[in-house]
Amino acid sequence: DQQVKQNSPSLSVQEGRISILNCDYTNSMFDYFLWYKKYPAEGPTFLISISSIKDKNEDGRFTVFLNKSAKHLSLHIVPSQPGDSAVYFCAAKDSGGYQKVTFGTGTKLQVIP
Amino acid sequence: DSGVTQTPKHLITATGQRVTLRCSPRSGDLSVYWYQQSLDQGLQFLIQYYNGEERAKGNILERFSAQQFPDLHSELNLSSLELGDSALYFCASSLGTSGIATQYFGPGTRLTVL
Repeated sequence: DQQVKQNSPSLSVQEGRISILNCDYTNSMFDYFLWYKKYPAEGPTFLISISSIKDKNEDGRFTVFLNKSAKHLSLHIVPSQPGDSAVYFCAAKDSGGYQKVTFGTGTKLQVIP
Repeated sequence: DSGVTQTPKHLITATGQRVTLRCSPRSGDLSVYWYQQSLDQGLQFLIQYYNGEERAKGNILERFSAQQFPDLHSELNLSSLELGDSALYFCASSLGTSGIATQYFGPGTRLTVL
């Protein structure tokens, strides 16, 4: 049972445009959401997070939006840069768990120069 | 560089064998986590240790075991290996075990079972 779903395996965007990566979840006990970025041959690196008490969190070019009623979150990258080309994982933390984080399957973003 | 090291980078072995993957957390981090990433799958949480004690368990098979040593490094032992165990295994560490501590990932160990 995939509790965190990233339905788009890949996404291509022109440099300078907006990239929107989507994530859906099913577990209403999730209270904290994270995005990780992964380059080939490297481990994932933390990008941005959002608490369930917020609906938006911004960090430079990266903004995460959370819609609790729809159990949906999205990551916006504006403007997109070629260096943003990577696999992006959505992840969610269970409010009842010590630190158990459930990851999605990832979306491969390609930013075309 | 996340500060988390994993050895070996690559491991090729045969079915039925046993292997040990090693992880050294970032300096000062007390929590270590193990994840498995199979082809086209997300990162599957296996197990977490905090300061030497098991804290949380995910979808870890009985053939797999882990431990965290007094110097805080951790080992993941995989036995009676099957073809389906071929995957990337990531270790991550964090300072504490509170709900929002950022996890820092190592580069992973790629295990191939032939």
